[in-house]
Amino acid sequence: GAVVSQHPSRVICKSGTSVKIECRSLDFQATTMFWYRQFPKKSLMLMATSNEGSKATYEQGVEKDKFLINHASLTLSTLTVTSAHPEDSSFYICSARAGTSGSTGELFFGEGSRLTVL
Amino acid sequence: AQSVAQPEDQVNVAEGNPLTVKCTYSVSGNPYLFWYVQYPNRGLQFLLKYITGDNLVKGSYGFEAEFNKSQTSFHLKKPSALVSDSALYFCAVRDPASGTYKYIFGTGTRLKVLA
Repeated sequence: GAVVSQHPSRVICKSGTSVKIECRSLDFQATTMFWYRQFPKKSLMLMATSNEGSKATYEQGVEKDKFLINHASLTLSTLTVTSAHPEDSSFYICSARAGTSGSTGELFFGEGSRLTVL
Repeated sequence: AQSVAQPEDQVNVAEGNPLTVKCTYSVSGNPYLFWYVQYPNRGLQFLLKYITGDNLVKGSYGFEAEFNKSQTSFHLKKPSALVSDSALYFCAVRDPASGTYKYIFGTGTRLKVLA
């Protein structure tokens, strides 16, 4: 199957700093990428849909100025958590849709990034 | 509104016994259905999908799922559970008529296989 690489897998930062998480599709071109946040009680929350070359579409309740998403190429999307606070601590997961998956829209997921804000 | 329900927070099963993880959905039309598995501190791994055709779908690691349109269910099954199957399982649905590739995820079911 297609491979999605997410980096870093773990990051610890101080409150008020910004953190960038990268999501790369290694062996396919991803026209669309999705960013999720997973809460301790395990549910996955879709944060935004990232389309290559255009602005991300954010889900209701997600602050776009807080969570900056950039999808500058067909293989890379980045999520930047700006001015991070302890409540932003979470597990962030990206996923990508391969163009070859056609209309079935099968998604491939990254390994996730554990953010801890002190 | 579209939704996916995984009614069991946790399922415990003895090794070697059959396992079932339940999923029901509420989507108009003909949904695409997926199962994913997540191991601790890892991303989600694709197990299987139903798009059309045969209602019984076979996937990775010996898992299978049966699509039941009348009951709007897509339960995940395995004839003989392994301890290594212990993980978090997510059911997901996509409505192809929505024009988006958004998935709706269930809340997840933690499977614990006891030796």
